[in-house]
Amino acid sequence: DTGVSQNPRHKITKRGQNVTFRCDPISEHNRLYWYRQTLGQGPEFLTYFQNEAQLEKSRLLSDRFSAERPKGSFSTLEIQRTEQGDSAMYLCASSLILNPTGELFFGEGSRLTVL
Amino acid sequence: ILNVEQSPQSLHVQEGDSTNFTCSFPSSNFYALHWYRWETAKSPEALFVMTLNGDEKKKGRISATLNTKEGYSYLYIKGSQPEDSATYLCALNTGNQFYFGTGTSLTVIP
Repeated sequence: DTGVSQNPRHKITKRGQNVTFRCDPISEHNRLYWYRQTLGQGPEFLTYFQNEAQLEKSRLLSDRFSAERPKGSFSTLEIQRTEQGDSAMYLCASSLILNPTGELFFGEGSRLTVL
Repeated sequence: ILNVEQSPQSLHVQEGDSTNFTCSFPSSNFYALHWYRWETAKSPEALFVMTLNGDEKKKGRISATLNTKEGYSYLYIKGSQPEDSATYLCALNTGNQFYFGTGTSLTVIP
């Protein structure tokens, strides 16, 4: 399978714990995006990388959230000291910068439930 | 944050009915407009990418139109089938960022 892959697909955790999600983009894609989607809302932008550089981070993202893409391939999104409001679907998408329309290819998402 | 709006929020139609949804966006930041279909437990799948005012794209029974001057796009489904049941998302591409609408949830009743 050469699509975008995310794991874990589901994570249930207690409030205050740390969680980490991983995204493996399509191999030749140099842009990688993280989105968060809650019930009744569309995907909300969190951050994006071009190769290993984090180019933009949403102002809505608290300092408990951190993302990395150390070698310009896979990326991790860590949430520290989780809160119940962090419960959401976390989507990863990748794209090829040379594609003029910048079409996003999505993974299946990682669903987080904070108890 | 740019406001992309979709209507209706949800829709139930009978199999065989035709239907359409609306996506409106601020035209001043336009680079491209994307439509995605998101089925439960799957990843969002790209339907159309539209860049030109007046553009019309078609894929089988699904088609979309674009008006960049007034900032809206319509998605049409002709002769809806149960397998069309999904959430349809539109996204404004500003060149660097994608701003998604809240989606239209379509249920096609057999």
